[in-house]
Amino acid sequence: DIQMTQSPSSLSASVGDRVTITCRASQDISKNLAWVQKKPGKAPKSLIYAASTLQSGVPSKFSGSGSGTDFTLTISSLQPEDFATYYCQQHNTYPRTFGGGTKVEIK
Amino acid sequence: EVQLVESGGGLVQPGGSLRLSCAASGFSFSIYWMSWVRQAPGKGLEWVATIKPDGSEKYYVDSVKGRFTISRDNAMNSLSLQMNSLRAEDTAIYYCARDGRFVVTPSCWGQGTLVTVSS
Repeated sequence: DIQMTQSPSSLSASVGDRVTITCRASQDISKNLAWVQKKPGKAPKSLIYAASTLQSGVPSKFSGSGSGTDFTLTISSLQPEDFATYYCQQHNTYPRTFGGGTKVEIK
Repeated sequence: EVQLVESGGGLVQPGGSLRLSCAASGFSFSIYWMSWVRQAPGKGLEWVATIKPDGSEKYYVDSVKGRFTISRDNAMNSLSLQMNSLRAEDTAIYYCARDGRFVVTPSCWGQGTLVTVSS
């Protein structure tokens, strides 16, 4: 199985900050990487697929990059509604696997 | 508007069975891959199973193989997850998700249904 490792596991940031989260795959997954936002008590929300393609309706403050084994999610200007846990997921092979998550908290 | 509504969760004893359902609306259900993803209390997201639009291909995480069965009824716009031989570690919120038509990863999610396995 492909292991997905996210860093950091948590971070504190202020409104307006630029935030970057990294995700590393244990083997080459090309660009087959998605990012998902999860808030407590809410349904997950898909943000990005194929490493850099925004899901419909997702604001452009979210961006993704990378290929192979190393990927990043960037939030250009953090807003109150962006405080959440973010997960990467590889969609290259089965079983699909998620990273452990990065919790973005208010500083 | 895409809607996915899960039902069927509840409290079940270890070794018991439960069938989850997901009612889909607002899109052409029969042309999309569909998945189940779960989140145990205090834990991260875990992919459980995925099914092809025509039901001919199904994929499972190793921990549920032989115990869970994903299925769909395209005439009824419905996705199901039959869960047998349930274990305490299956306790989680189970989310129904619509994948993309060509990129098989979730694009839309339901609100989830809670499954608790406990004696």
